Amino acid sequence: GAGVSQSPSNKVTEKGKDVELRCDPISGHTALYWYRQSLGQGLEFLIYFQGNSAPDKSGLPSDRFSAERTGGSVSTLTIQRTQQEDSAVYLCASSLLGLGTSGTDTQYFGPGTRLTVL
Amino acid sequence: AQKITQTQPGMFVQEKEAVTLDCTYDTSDPSYGLFWYKQPSSGEMIFLIYQGSYDQQNATEGRYSLNFQKARKSANLVISASQLGDSAMYFCAMREGTSNTGKLIFGQGTTLQVKP
Repeated sequence: GAGVSQSPSNKVTEKGKDVELRCDPISGHTALYWYRQSLGQGLEFLIYFQGNSAPDKSGLPSDRFSAERTGGSVSTLTIQRTQQEDSAVYLCASSLLGLGTSGTDTQYFGPGTRLTVL
Repeated sequence: AQKITQTQPGMFVQEKEAVTLDCTYDTSDPSYGLFWYKQPSSGEMIFLIYQGSYDQQNATEGRYSLNFQKARKSANLVISASQLGDSAMYFCAMREGTSNTGKLIFGQGTTLQVKP
């Protein structure tokens, strides 16, 4: 079946503008994650959605960042008043079961959105 | 303190030879999972292999195997018979069983270059 998809693949914006990044998880996956990868670095956790539960926003770097997940499927990450330090690749992942499960429950990643803030 | 440490920023290996990518981790959680992902230059993260903290045997997936040494808190990835297509960045990651989220904690990555 289809993997995780993200759009746009690339986004260039001016400092101070708002941006929306979209993630379409694998069908049937209940858990969805957003990560950020700065140039040459590992991935940094941002936010986690599990089914219809309230999301865990503990990784969001500031209140300019928000995310929602509609109908337990598609998610949108919004960055308001973008800053140059927001430039990074934003990766979305989904997994079948999420928190509280044993075993692998592998996270499968999308291709990412490369955000450049000028 | 870093929870996942990958000490090799870059590695070279000759085609058809084996290579070991190092990963050490730090956790007080008795239940955890360790993952390796491959990130080619195209940017996607590709899942390679998983090891659970209670697994008795080292995980293997085709040419990939995980050398899991629990007492030393290491989970090194071994790639046998390297191929040119193995050139990529490799990330070790951990998920703690008692975490409030299912989040993965990533290391800084190792860039592997396979020489023909």
